[in-house]
Amino acid sequence: AQSVTQLGSHVSVSEGALVLLRCNYSSSVPPYLFWYVQYPNQGLQLLLKYTTGATLVKGINGFEAEFKKSETSFHLTKPSAHMSDAAEYFCAVSDTGGFKTIFGAGTRLFVKA
Amino acid sequence: DAGVIQSPRHEVTEMGQEVTLRCKPISGHDYLFWYRQTMMRGLELLIYFNNNVPIDDSGMPEDRFSAKMPNASFSTLKIQPSEPRDSAVYFCASSLVPGSMNTEAFFGQGTRLTVV
Repeated sequence: AQSVTQLGSHVSVSEGALVLLRCNYSSSVPPYLFWYVQYPNQGLQLLLKYTTGATLVKGINGFEAEFKKSETSFHLTKPSAHMSDAAEYFCAVSDTGGFKTIFGAGTRLFVKA
Repeated sequence: DAGVIQSPRHEVTEMGQEVTLRCKPISGHDYLFWYRQTMMRGLELLIYFNNNVPIDDSGMPEDRFSAKMPNASFSTLKIQPSEPRDSAVYFCASSLVPGSMNTEAFFGQGTRLTVV
């Protein structure tokens, strides 16, 4: 069975600081991994995904994530936080494709001026 | 494509009433998912369909919940009778066939359900 653990339900950073949101997964088969962002009162929007190939994945809005199989991790980073990055972020895993995607509990990112 | 379309965006109903949530997936997507989001339980997968056929409904909380997909462009999630603890945001999502490189789920804007 697959599962996703996001470390930290809330993360607070100052504007311009590094953003690091942690995600560990469990999967019996090579996983597909995703990060989604949810702004208030909106649906989830894909930030980036890892399927195969390069383990460092770049997404929208300057975010990137690195797939580390040995650590079963897929942490999300952004070098410099912006106020507009304040949102909730979800890590997700699926096997062979998106037909059954399991989401983590989410991490709410706060950005301080 | 306009994306995944859900209706209504907001629904307020009285306990005991029937509630029907609607979803139109992205054209050409073979998979459709219904999720429920609450503060306490996060984002839960309720049921998903492949080619209009329900594949896994193990996430449906009770028999009061039912979902149908009569054709490739329409799905409903029904709660009958509704209870206050059903209050949540319900999301519909769709995706392409597994194995495709375009594997992510595309989400609708959600329906915020309040049962009073």
